[in-house]
Amino acid sequence: GAGVSQSPRYKVAKRGQDVALRCDPISGHVSLFWYQQALGQGPEFLTYFQNEAQLDKSGLPSDRFFAERPEGSVSTLKIQRTQQEDSAVYLCASSSSGGVVGNQPQHFGDGTRLSIL
Amino acid sequence: AQKVTQAQTEISVVEKEDVTLDCVYETRDTTYYLFWYKQPPSGELVFLIRRNSFDEQNEISGRYSWNFQKSTSSFNFTITASQVVDSAVYFCALSGYGGSQGNLIFGKGTKLSVKP
Repeated sequence: GAGVSQSPRYKVAKRGQDVALRCDPISGHVSLFWYQQALGQGPEFLTYFQNEAQLDKSGLPSDRFFAERPEGSVSTLKIQRTQQEDSAVYLCASSSSGGVVGNQPQHFGDGTRLSIL
Repeated sequence: AQKVTQAQTEISVVEKEDVTLDCVYETRDTTYYLFWYKQPPSGELVFLIRRNSFDEQNEISGRYSWNFQKSTSSFNFTITASQVVDSAVYFCALSGYGGSQGNLIFGKGTKLSVKP
């Protein structure tokens, strides 16, 4: 498709389970970002990839969160031993610019709504 | 530190009214970018506009206009003759060298409700 695709759209998991969220960016986009959006709040940065390199993971809230983009295209955000505070919408964005701040806008997917019971 | 403040949590207007959404930012960077995104109930963030810190010209796109004032660190967004389809949450965002290479710092958003 033409846009950023995320799956699943909704995910319900029990506390303590591991989850994996997938992001398929716009074809050819160099940069990929993950954001976490709590209810009623703006998105907050989690991590950034330029091609397959994870250049910034300063926003990941704990070592239970792990992201990868092994071939520089599809990315997976994994959360281990989920907790209730992990409940949020996880947004993925991609951009055609790499290494140049704000050079091109980020295009967002619909997000994955994660609910931890 | 970088910060974006959207003081208006919710705004309700009647169709055809004009409405202005406020955005105030803080940054120590001399080069930075400002953005507005729209988030309808479906959840997807839709890109509206990007401005760099060296271009203070106001911009108009149809019913949308943006007023960038560096002196007051503001980047306000005005919708003229609002329509029901404009109902959404609007986010102002900042990108600069202070953070990662391009990650966006978002405000908390302003929920706009346009009633018929």
